[in-house]
Amino acid sequence: DAGITQSPRHKVTETGTPVTLRCHQTENHRYMYWYRQDPGHGLRLIHYSYGVKDTDKGEVSDGYSVSRSKTEDFLLTLESATSSQTSVYFCAITSEGNQPQHFGDGTRLSIL
Amino acid sequence: RKEVEQDPGPFNVPEGATVAFNCTYSNSASQSFFWYRQDCRKEPKLLMSVYSSGNEDGRFTAQLNRASQYISLLIRDSKLSDSATYLCVVNKGSAGGTSYGKLTFGQGTILTVHP
Repeated sequence: DAGITQSPRHKVTETGTPVTLRCHQTENHRYMYWYRQDPGHGLRLIHYSYGVKDTDKGEVSDGYSVSRSKTEDFLLTLESATSSQTSVYFCAITSEGNQPQHFGDGTRLSIL
Repeated sequence: RKEVEQDPGPFNVPEGATVAFNCTYSNSASQSFFWYRQDCRKEPKLLMSVYSSGNEDGRFTAQLNRASQYISLLIRDSKLSDSATYLCVVNKGSAGGTSYGKLTFGQGTILTVHP
């Protein structure tokens, strides 16, 4: 399996609290992505990074921010979590933009 | 219209059956295409990339028709272990030709293979 680690794997928190999810890779890949997966919507791109300090928005970026201060780590932050952000979050990586992406194990986040 | 549309399924087939999944995409500038499989409560895993010339990997065959914007996956001699959700995935590409890997996923088709 591709060297991707997501943490935490599970989290339950309350509305209004800040939450940070971490994606760590050992592949030295340039591109990293955050997706969320919800019933009826499939996987949707939140934010992505194409290099250190280079990030951009995906299709469902409202309420989320990201940071990438080094190649191996891509952080997703929910500044003030809402119940609508309850979801399964997947990180993915790839070496080239037109190549397949490899996914981490996912983080199950519940906002109560 | 959704950017990537798949057969809704579910498909319920006996072992040994041949099953075909179809997918259409709306963006004619899409650059690359993939099939992923996802087991229950697991991450998506790449099954195969899809090329215009068609490609085969064991019991799996994928086809791409750019003119019709249509992708297919054929599974022959189905096994119990093929039971999963199959995701059609399209890389939209971007202006200027640079691909940042912004993928669009279909909602998936559930396959159950029974004894």
